[in-house]
Amino acid sequence: GEEVAQTPKHLVRGEGQKAKLYCAPIKGHSYVFWYQQVLKNEFKFLISFQNENVFDETGMPKERFSAKCLPNSPCSLEIQATKLEDSAVYFCASSQMVLGEKLFFGSGTQLSVL
Amino acid sequence: QQQVKQSPQSLIVQKGGISIINCAYENTAFDYFPWYQQFPGKGPALLIAIRPDVSEKKEGRFTISFNKSAKQFSLHIMDSQPGDSATYFCAAHLIQGAQKLVFGQGTRLTINP
Repeated sequence: GEEVAQTPKHLVRGEGQKAKLYCAPIKGHSYVFWYQQVLKNEFKFLISFQNENVFDETGMPKERFSAKCLPNSPCSLEIQATKLEDSAVYFCASSQMVLGEKLFFGSGTQLSVL
Repeated sequence: QQQVKQSPQSLIVQKGGISIINCAYENTAFDYFPWYQQFPGKGPALLIAIRPDVSEKKEGRFTISFNKSAKQFSLHIMDSQPGDSATYFCAAHLIQGAQKLVFGQGTRLTINP
């Protein structure tokens, strides 16, 4: 597709429940990034992929967050045992060539943990 | 050292005026400086970008001014229009290691008609 597609648009979870977010990057884009935006403020980098390989996961709270980009499937970000502080908008972005430049963002998934 | 500091946090400009948003950085490993525009409920969209070997880049009403020695760059929106009302984020691309984009804190711009 010509845009980064993120689903669902909204997700509500009780504290301790699992949340799974999906992202279909633009066709032909090799690089995928996940960012977390809290309270409409700055973007916190979570993880990046080059095709199905993790490139950098230094932003991930590893004990609860995991992500995958498998061939012929949407990328996914999964949060086990959600906490109130995980409430945020999660953005996926993809880029075609040079890693990290000219990112095309999806519309985000608003995660609310109650 | 990987931070990008953006100011002001919010800005109100009259229609037809010039909007100016500033960013500063410390890390000389940044090699690419984009600006993103974000409307409510949407993801950020790339607006304009500059590399550090250029002091200014203009695209329509949008201009980036870049001061390498001061480690500062700014976005100028000429003839600001109500449709420009959005949140603007500066960013910097880190060439070393993860090569990720580091974002500023954002500026909420309101253009009054």
